[in-house]
Amino acid sequence: EAQVTQNPRYLITVTGKKLTVTCSQNMNHEYMSWYRQDPGLGLRQIYYSMNVEVTDKGDVPEGYKVSRKEKRNFPLILESPSPNQTSLYFCASSLLAGGSNEQFFGPGTRLTVL
Amino acid sequence: GEDVEQSLFLSVREGDSSVINCTYTDSSSTYLYWYKQEPGAGLQLLTYIFSNMDMKQDQRLTVLLNKKDKHLSLRIADTQTGDSAIYFCAPGGSQGNLIFGKGTKLSVKP
Repeated sequence: EAQVTQNPRYLITVTGKKLTVTCSQNMNHEYMSWYRQDPGLGLRQIYYSMNVEVTDKGDVPEGYKVSRKEKRNFPLILESPSPNQTSLYFCASSLLAGGSNEQFFGPGTRLTVL
Repeated sequence: GEDVEQSLFLSVREGDSSVINCTYTDSSSTYLYWYKQEPGAGLQLLTYIFSNMDMKQDQRLTVLLNKKDKHLSLRIADTQTGDSAIYFCAPGGSQGNLIFGKGTKLSVKP
C-alpha cells in the first residue's frame, strides 16, 4: 500500500531532551516536507527536501533540523525541544515539487513538550 | 510571503450546498488545491484547479477561481454528515511548495 508513515504517533517529552520523528514513504517520491499544525494557525511548513541531500527551510525552521540521506526517509530532529514546539506534526511527500503533484500526508505525530 | 485567508467555521444542514471561500496573495500560483482533514487524520487531496481555468467540476464538488480577484471557492453540493471536516485552501508557492490557509471547519447538521 502506497503510504507515508510517521513514528511515533504520540510523544510526551521534557524540555531539552533530543528527539527524532521519523518519516518514510514507499512511493519513490522526490519531494518531502514537514509541517506543524497549531490551532488557529493552520499548517506551516518547517523544512522541505526536493531530493536526496537537498533540503531547505520552510516558514518556521527555528529549533528543527532535517536530513535526507536516502530518498524514502526524511527525519525531523529536535535537538533541544521547548514547550512552544508542542504541536501536531505532519510529514508529506509528492512525486515532484509543485505542478499537479498531489502531496500525500502521513497520519501525524502529536508532540507534547513539558 | 504568500498569505491565504479562509473563514474558520461554516455550518450547514444536511442536503444543503456548502461554499468555502479562500483569498490569496501570490498571483504566480499555477495550481491551487483543496485538502480535506477528517478528525484525527492527516490531510487528503480533495481536488485542484489549474490557474488558467475558472471552473472545475468533479461530482459533488465545484471549484471556482477568480484569478483577477485572487479568490478561490469550493462548493459541495448535497452536503452530507460525512463531509464534516476541516477544508484547507492551498495555492502552490513559487518554489513548488504549498501555502496552506488556516482551514475552514465544516459542520453538517442532520
